[in-house]
Amino acid sequence: GAVVSQHPSRVICKSGTSVKIECRSLDFQATTMFWYRQFPKKSLMLMATSNEGSKATYEQGVEKDKFLINHASLTLSTLTVTSAHPEDSSFYICSASKLDRGFTDTQYFGPGTRLTVL
Amino acid sequence: TQLLEQSPQFLSIQEGENLTVYCNSSSVFSSLQWYRQEPGEGPVLLVTVVTGGEVKKLKRLTFQFGDARKDSSLHITAAQPGDTGLYLCAGAETSGTYKYIFGTGTRLKVLA
Repeated sequence: GAVVSQHPSRVICKSGTSVKIECRSLDFQATTMFWYRQFPKKSLMLMATSNEGSKATYEQGVEKDKFLINHASLTLSTLTVTSAHPEDSSFYICSASKLDRGFTDTQYFGPGTRLTVL
Repeated sequence: TQLLEQSPQFLSIQEGENLTVYCNSSSVFSSLQWYRQEPGEGPVLLVTVVTGGEVKKLKRLTFQFGDARKDSSLHITAAQPGDTGLYLCAGAETSGTYKYIFGTGTRLKVLA
């Protein structure tokens, strides 16, 4: 199997606070995890690539001081939205990369986290 | 910048009809994935295609990878209301970064 969990599934916070979202690969080890953001009725937008034991690689236009990523172990990556503002409200989804059949890296996705900033 | 265009963007059909979704790019991918996503949930992997010209079947769904590994199609036979959802193709970059380029998405609604 290839199961990825996210916690929390929903979070509502006040403007100015920080929110941490956890992404775990439950039955496999993932040296690489990814964080995406999805706007309503749109496709997924890659925010950053999270590598275990090293700094995350951010996509152009994504503020690394705003979206802190930590890949503490082979099964856990966290995304912290710092000083959240209403415009940060979105659906955040993580994925974990697993080597399938020995040669194809496939991304398996978590169920997503709905963040609402008031 | 690599782009993956999906067509159509929206599709509303009656139960029992057939449909095809296209995923096109000018870039070559090392593999291509198809996902289905339901509202408020993460994308669920349907299939991975790796070899140019490869065809894979998953019950009523048929996936094809283009010979040049730049495009793909998803054909659904006798669509059912349970097929309703957002279909996303995702191409894996050839640069070894493991990054995916996601398609623009096709929102399918199958009416009973």
